[in-house]
Amino acid sequence: SQTIHQWPATLVQPVGSPLSLECTVEGTSNPNLYWYRQAAGRGLQLLFYSVGIGQISSEVPQNLSASRPQDRQFILSSKKLLLSDSGFYLCAWRDRGHNGYTFGSGTRLTVV
Amino acid sequence: DQQVKQNSPSLSVQEGRISILNCDYTNSMFDYFLWYKKYPAEGPTFLISISSIKDKNEDGRFTVFLNKSAKHLSLHIVPSQPGDSAVYFCAASPGTPGAGSYQLTFGKGTKLSVIP
Repeated sequence: SQTIHQWPATLVQPVGSPLSLECTVEGTSNPNLYWYRQAAGRGLQLLFYSVGIGQISSEVPQNLSASRPQDRQFILSSKKLLLSDSGFYLCAWRDRGHNGYTFGSGTRLTVV
Repeated sequence: DQQVKQNSPSLSVQEGRISILNCDYTNSMFDYFLWYKKYPAEGPTFLISISSIKDKNEDGRFTVFLNKSAKHLSLHIVPSQPGDSAVYFCAASPGTPGAGSYQLTFGKGTKLSVIP
């Protein structure tokens, strides 16, 4: 069966520090992968998606970046975090079983 | 421009009664719709979906209704249980599930509280 792993679960980082969040998928190959953010009081905002290794599409210009170094690995990064980067970050893969997404458990990022 | 709208940020319902969560969309290209349920500090989980060729889909206590002419869908939960208390997200897609750049557009969510 397919599973998605996301870590860490929580993270507190100072302003100006770097960020690296990792997401891996098991049990499937060549998945479509997505990074979403849920900011306080807001909905789910698509940040990046990837249809294959090295292929990244950005939906929202900001100081975040994404990379897909391997087929089932998706990484969200920042060189210098801002206070506004605080939020709940979710990785997801395209689940053809129900033609929707299956989400990871999320990372709560607090920038202080 | 918000293409998927959930106009009620919150909803409180007595246990055993019906919960009705509403969702409106503006993009006429959307033809596949999903509902997700999210508990705090967890990722959303898929609940139920409906294709535009249908106007109703039922799965146990959950039923989704689609009114294409009104660009409106609703999720009915009957009977509501305290464990249903969560944030519910409506999502929509412009069909063609096999497309490489398949994306879902989400609403902002409705927080449902089921009171025992």
